Amino acid sequence: AQSVTQLGSHVSVSEGALVLLRCNYSSSVPPYLFWYVQYPNQGLQLLLKYTTGATLVKGINGFEAEFKKSETSFHLTKPSAHMSDAAEYFCAAEANNAGNMLTFGGGTRLMVKP
Amino acid sequence: DTAVSQTPKYLVTQMGNDKSIKCEQNLGHDTMYWYKQDSKKFLKIMFSYNNKELIINETVPNRFSPKSPDKAHLNLHINSLELGDSAVYFCASSHSRLNTEAFFGQGTRLTVV
Repeated sequence: AQSVTQLGSHVSVSEGALVLLRCNYSSSVPPYLFWYVQYPNQGLQLLLKYTTGATLVKGINGFEAEFKKSETSFHLTKPSAHMSDAAEYFCAAEANNAGNMLTFGGGTRLMVKP
Repeated sequence: DTAVSQTPKYLVTQMGNDKSIKCEQNLGHDTMYWYKQDSKKFLKIMFSYNNKELIINETVPNRFSPKSPDKAHLNLHINSLELGDSAVYFCASSHSRLNTEAFFGQGTRLTVV
């Protein structure tokens, strides 16, 4: 069965600092990969996704992620954190034949200090 | 216009009651889902419907019964509520089974007391 692991349930950065949220998947066949963001009391919003093609994927709000097959990773980065980036971030994977069934990681709460 | 809307947003109820959560999407999507997010923020799929037909049922107790009157609606009915059912329930939709981008509703926070 596929699993998604997010290293670090809480990440704290200073405003303006680099954001790095880690995600690893376990699958013999590279799945489709996603990052979602959840603001307090809100639903999940898609930040970016990787299906095929270019391994560096750019998303909304200045976020990007790189698919590295050799490392089975899909880490999320942003060069400069803003206070408004404080939220819960979820990495998710979908096996290519899973009919849109997303497997989510445990989430990482990003805190941004002024 | 809200793309995927759920009602109610908050639901507090006693153990043993039966309750429903409604979900509607105005995106013209064929596929809809219910996810459960527990107190530790862990998200897990419960059901998936494609064109009103059940395609995924992830070992959810049969006290949970999804109903899809049409492809724009997927309601979740829960019988005999238990304390462990307390969670946030998210509805989502995608264009089709093959389209991988899911749009989520704002969630329904269910508290069973």
